[in-house]
This record gives sequence, C-alpha cells and structure tokens, in this order.
Amino acid sequence: EDQVTQSPEALRLQEGESSSLNCSYTVSGLRGLFWYRQDPGKGPEFLFTLYSAGEEKEKERLKATLTKKESFLHITAPKPEDSATYLCAVQEAGRRALTFGSGTRLQVQP
Amino acid sequence: EAEVAQSPRYKITEKSQAVAFWCDPISGHATLYWYRQILGQGPELLVQFQDESVVDDSQLPKDRFSAERLKGVDSTLKIQPAELGDSAMYLCASSWSGSPSYNEQFFGPGTRLTVL
Repeated sequence: EDQVTQSPEALRLQEGESSSLNCSYTVSGLRGLFWYRQDPGKGPEFLFTLYSAGEEKEKERLKATLTKKESFLHITAPKPEDSATYLCAVQEAGRRALTFGSGTRLQVQP
Repeated sequence: EAEVAQSPRYKITEKSQAVAFWCDPISGHATLYWYRQILGQGPELLVQFQDESVVDDSQLPKDRFSAERLKGVDSTLKIQPAELGDSAMYLCASSWSGSPSYNEQFFGPGTRLTVL
C-alpha cells in the first residue's frame, strides 16, 4: 500500500526566512511525485511533477527535488503570499489516482 | 485558462437526506476523479472514470454513494442517505490521458458539505 508522510505538519516562518518541507514516500514503482498548493476553502493547485531521482524543478521561490525515498520542497526567501498548505502526492506505476500526504501548513509572517 | 467546474460550492443538509454534486472537467480530459478531503487531511480517492467507465471505485462506500459519467463528459456524485461523517470537501479533478503525458491532475474548487 502506498504511503506518503509529510513533515513538519505546520511551519511558521518570518518573511525572507528560507526553509524546506519534506515528503517521505513508499510506493511500488513510482510513476510520478506531485506537489500541490492549497489555500483555505479551495481546491489544490498543481505546482510540480517529478519523475525520477535526481530531478529538480523550480517555480519562482519554490524548488522541488526528488530522491528514491523522499522529496523536498525548498522555499527561498518566502513572502506572506506563500502561506498555504502544501500537499505531496505519489502516483504508482500502472495507476492514475494519487495518494496524498496530510500536507504541511505554512505560515509566513511579515 | 481552462478550469474544472464544480457546483454547488457549499451544501448544508440534514442527515438521512440525499445530496448530489456536479463536476465538469477540463475539455478533452478523458479521466475524471472524485476525491474526499476531511479537514486537516489530504484528499482520498473515491472514484475514477475513464471516459464513461468506472476504473477504480474500491474506496467508494457503495451502500450510500453513487457516481456516474453518462456521456463521458460531466459527472455527478450522489450520497443517499447522508451521515454526519460525510461532512468534508468533495473535490473533482481531471487529467488528459494521452501519451507520453504523466497525467497531471487539475482540481476544481470543491464542494464543502456539512451534514447536520
């Protein structure tokens, strides 16, 4: 059974204070690892897909990396508008449905 | 920009009543998913359609939940009768099924269900 564990559950940063979110996973054959951002009361917003260990993707202040056991979402010099819940999900080979972690709630204070 | 549409956005109902949610996926997306998200948790798959066919409904409580996608486009998720534990956000997502895409899923705004 696929398992996704995200840490920390919650993170409070000062504006400009860089940090990383962790996503550990167990899956029988990884097809893809996905990162989403979710604002309160809204649906998840797609950020990145990573397919193989060593891959990295960047978007503005966010950079996602992937190893064989975990993924990191690095946030560089965050701003208050980066405050949201960040969800990690895995897609097992042969399946299309995603298995999500419980998310990391990020709060960036001005 | 194409988006997944869902309605209603909010629904309050009493237990034992019937409720229905509607989803219109991004045009051209053959795969449609219904997820349920309990507050503080990640989404969990309820049912997956490929065109009009159900591909995965292993986590759908079939005694009270039903889903259909009759023409392979929009979809309806129904709960009858609703129970207190059904209070959650119901999310619809869609993805393109062509190769070599890895099928990123795009989510709608969700329907927040409250069962009293």
